[in-house]
Amino acid sequence: ELKVEQNPLFLSMQEGKNYTIYCNYSTTSDRLYWYRQDPGKSLESLFVLLSNGAVKQEGRLMASLDTKARLSTLHITAAVHDLSATYFCAVVPGGSQGNLIFGKGTKLSVKP
Amino acid sequence: DAMVIQNPRYQVTQFGKPVTLSCSQTLNHNVMYWYQQKSSQAPKLLFHYYDKDFNNEADTPDNFQSRRPNTSFCFLDIRSPGLGDAAMYLCATSSRLGRLNNSPLHFGNGTRLTVT
Repeated sequence: ELKVEQNPLFLSMQEGKNYTIYCNYSTTSDRLYWYRQDPGKSLESLFVLLSNGAVKQEGRLMASLDTKARLSTLHITAAVHDLSATYFCAVVPGGSQGNLIFGKGTKLSVKP
Repeated sequence: DAMVIQNPRYQVTQFGKPVTLSCSQTLNHNVMYWYQQKSSQAPKLLFHYYDKDFNNEADTPDNFQSRRPNTSFCFLDIRSPGLGDAAMYLCATSSRLGRLNNSPLHFGNGTRLTVT
């Protein structure tokens, strides 16, 4: 059974600081997704990582994937308040029908 | 804009009273998913349809059923809601399954279900 673990689960940052969220998964997968969720809202797709070594950047967020280590990172650069949200990584198990297995999420709070 | 629409946004039902949540999509995607997300938890897959082919997750309770009368619509039926079924229910679509799918799932805005 695929397990997806994120850490930290809670992250309080000051504006302007950098930090990294980690996502580990337990079995083979070659695609990983990052989603953002604001309170009471649905999930917004941020990144799709499809191969080993994939790196994608959008604004202050950069995501990477190491399929050999079964690790993805979401790096936040110079955080701003608008980035406050919960961030989920999700993995498609190898051989599955595309069902996403989500991590527990990282609740990010960026303070002035 | 093509999108995934869920109705209603908020639903209150009584303990044991059947309730139906609906999802429609204009993306013409083959695959539709229903996820349950309880407060401060990760979304959990209940089941999905690939076209008319229904796939139930092994740990989805029998209390949860689904219907997909056509490509555009999918329904989640909760036959006898319990207090533990209070959650956000998220519908999602994708164009293809498994290894052929390079796109993220497209999620609707969700229906928040309260059971009294």
